[in-house]
Amino acid sequence: QVQLVESGGGVVQPGPSLILSCAASGFTFSNYAMHWVRQAPGKGLEWVAVVTSDGSNKYYGDSVKGRVTVIRDNSKNTLYLRINSLRAEDTAVYFCARAQTGDFPRGPDYWGQGTLVTVSS
Amino acid sequence: DIQMTQSPSSLSASVGDRVTITCQASQDISIHLNWYQQKPGKAPKLLIYDASNLETGVPSTFSGSGSGTDFIFTISSLRPEDIATYYCQQYDNLPLTFGGGTKVQIK
Repeated sequence: QVQLVESGGGVVQPGPSLILSCAASGFTFSNYAMHWVRQAPGKGLEWVAVVTSDGSNKYYGDSVKGRVTVIRDNSKNTLYLRINSLRAEDTAVYFCARAQTGDFPRGPDYWGQGTLVTVSS
Repeated sequence: DIQMTQSPSSLSASVGDRVTITCQASQDISIHLNWYQQKPGKAPKLLIYDASNLETGVPSTFSGSGSGTDFIFTISSLRPEDIATYYCQQYDNLPLTFGGGTKVQIK
């Protein structure tokens, strides 16, 4: 069965960078585009980034563009999200999610359980 | 960016009631719309894709319709386990955008 397990969250101070990881299993990771979506406490869902199946193309949401990089390692079945210059407004649960098959872009079908990032001094 | 306007933001209904949620896109998105269910503390779950197609394993009490800019999500007979927040999401163009969510509660 499809499994996505995020890690790397925690309480961090404003300013430094953070790398989140998402370990994928139960499907052929290299065949799928992958998304990051975040959810601030008590708020709705916000799309963060997507990377194509081969890692050649990456797209970002307006609120994080320039501070975030999405990377994938298909040899390790792992997706990453690097967030630079952390701000209080980056506080959220970060979900990785597999994109549906079909013409790019497609929305997420399977989601991980999320990892909480709290930015606080 | 495409804006997704979802309504209502919350609703209360009785077990067995028919529940309807609407989602309006700021421009034509064809049928490129998903509906998700999210229970507290859990990840979203895909229920409907391409506006009206039921994801495998999802009960047939859930349905979706619409195209272009106006979409409807329906629970034909509300069950206690359907208590959740529901989101629409467009994938016609990047950035992907979500509606604000509809919290469904039992009256």
